[in-house]
Amino acid sequence: GAVVSQHPSRVICKSGTSVKIECRSLDFQATTMFWYRQFPKQSLMLMATSNEGSKATYEQGVEKDKFLINHASLTLSTLTVTSAHPEDSSFYICSASDSFNQPQHFGDGTRLSIL
Amino acid sequence: GQSLEQPSEVTAVEGAIVQINCTYQTSGFYGLSWYQQHDGGAPTFLSYNALDGLEETGRFSSFLSRSDSYGYLLLQELQMKDSASYFCAVMDTDKLIFGTGTRLQVFP
Repeated sequence: GAVVSQHPSRVICKSGTSVKIECRSLDFQATTMFWYRQFPKQSLMLMATSNEGSKATYEQGVEKDKFLINHASLTLSTLTVTSAHPEDSSFYICSASDSFNQPQHFGDGTRLSIL
Repeated sequence: GQSLEQPSEVTAVEGAIVQINCTYQTSGFYGLSWYQQHDGGAPTFLSYNALDGLEETGRFSSFLSRSDSYGYLLLQELQMKDSASYFCAVMDTDKLIFGTGTRLQVFP
């Protein structure tokens, strides 16, 4: 089945640091990947749609300059949280599908803690 | 606006059957999915309905009625390991929108 790998699984860093999270589709190509954020005991909130070879599409209220997304190949999308602050601490998860209208498969998530 | 509503919490005992409902309102619809998420983990795919009716996968079944904008996840022969959060999700045109989530607690 489709496998999505996400790295790192956990990051703890100081306020002001930029953090890069990678999302890879291991056994399929994904022209589109999705990035979600989840706060404790809440649902997954879609942040942006990552499109291979073009600009990401951000959801309303998500700062483009704060959350930089790059989808340079059909198997890799990266999310960079720039100048992270404690309020950016959250669980970040990516997903991808091997074809349109097929179920999404999720990475293991990245738990980001900003001190 | 877009919304997917689920009960916030459901409790049951081992061996029982539970049904988790999901009502949705989205601008587009390309199918209803169900995901399980244990505390600290990522969502794992359980079931998918693109058409009306019942889909069965082992102990889990999922139902969809597009005319009612409604679906449910049925969990049978509950086990302790089924204690988790369950999310319905709708593929809306070009993105997956998640429901509010239902926390299932299974007691011995």
